[in-house]
Amino acid sequence: DTEVTQTPKHLVMGMTNKKSLKCEQHMGHRAMYWYKQKAKKPPELMFVYSYEKLSINESVPSRFSPECPNSSLLNLHLHALQPEDSALYLCASSHSGTNPGGETQYFGPGTRLLVL
Amino acid sequence: AQSVTQLDSQVPVFEEAPVELRCNYSSSVSVYLFWYVQYPNQGLQLLLKYLSGSTLVESINGFEAEFNKSQTSFHLRKPSVHISDTAEYFCAVSEIQGAQKLVFGQGTRLTINP
Repeated sequence: DTEVTQTPKHLVMGMTNKKSLKCEQHMGHRAMYWYKQKAKKPPELMFVYSYEKLSINESVPSRFSPECPNSSLLNLHLHALQPEDSALYLCASSHSGTNPGGETQYFGPGTRLLVL
Repeated sequence: AQSVTQLDSQVPVFEEAPVELRCNYSSSVSVYLFWYVQYPNQGLQLLLKYLSGSTLVESINGFEAEFNKSQTSFHLRKPSVHISDTAEYFCAVSEIQGAQKLVFGQGTRLTINP
C-alpha cells in the first residue's frame, strides 16, 4: 500500500473559523510533510516531522499549527486564516532512513482550501 | 541554497511526437535530482530520480532523464507521448548531505494534442 490519504478533499472556512486537515499513511514511513501549493505554482514546503518530532518549520505563520500524534497521522490545525491562505495543501511521507535527501516522497491528493 | 529552473512553462506537442522538458539547477553542494508528475486534481508522484551511478535514468512509462553535471541539467525526454501524459511536470533537487527538503522548479505544463 503506497497511499497517503487526506481529509477533507475540500474545505471552505471563514477567517474566524478553526479547522483541521488530516493526513494518514500506513507505509511505516517515519517522515511526514506539509506543503502548500498555489494555483499554477510548485509546492512549497511548510513543515517536516521526523520520528514524530518537528524537524523543519519553514517560517510558517503561527495560524498554521502542525501536529503529529503518532507515526501514521499528521494534522494541520488552522485558525484565523487569511484569504491569501487559500491553496491546495499537500501531505507527503517518506521512509526517513540513512539517506533522507534521496528518498522518494509519496504525496496525498491534497485538501483544497478556500478562505472567505 | 539550491534553485531549479524549468525553462518552459508550457509545452504543447502532438500525440506520438517526441518531447523534451528542460531542467537546470544551481547548487553550491552536491544534490540528488528528481522529476515528479502531477496529473489534474491529484497529488504529485515520483517519475524518476538520479542518486548516483549511470547518468541516464528511466521510468516505467517510457520517460528518461540524463544527469549532466557540467551543464547542471537534468532534462526529461520521451520518444513518443500519449494523451495520458498530459500533466504538470516538476523538476526538484535535494541536498545529498542535507535534510528531506525538496526544492522544486516552477513546473512545465505538458499538453498532448490528438
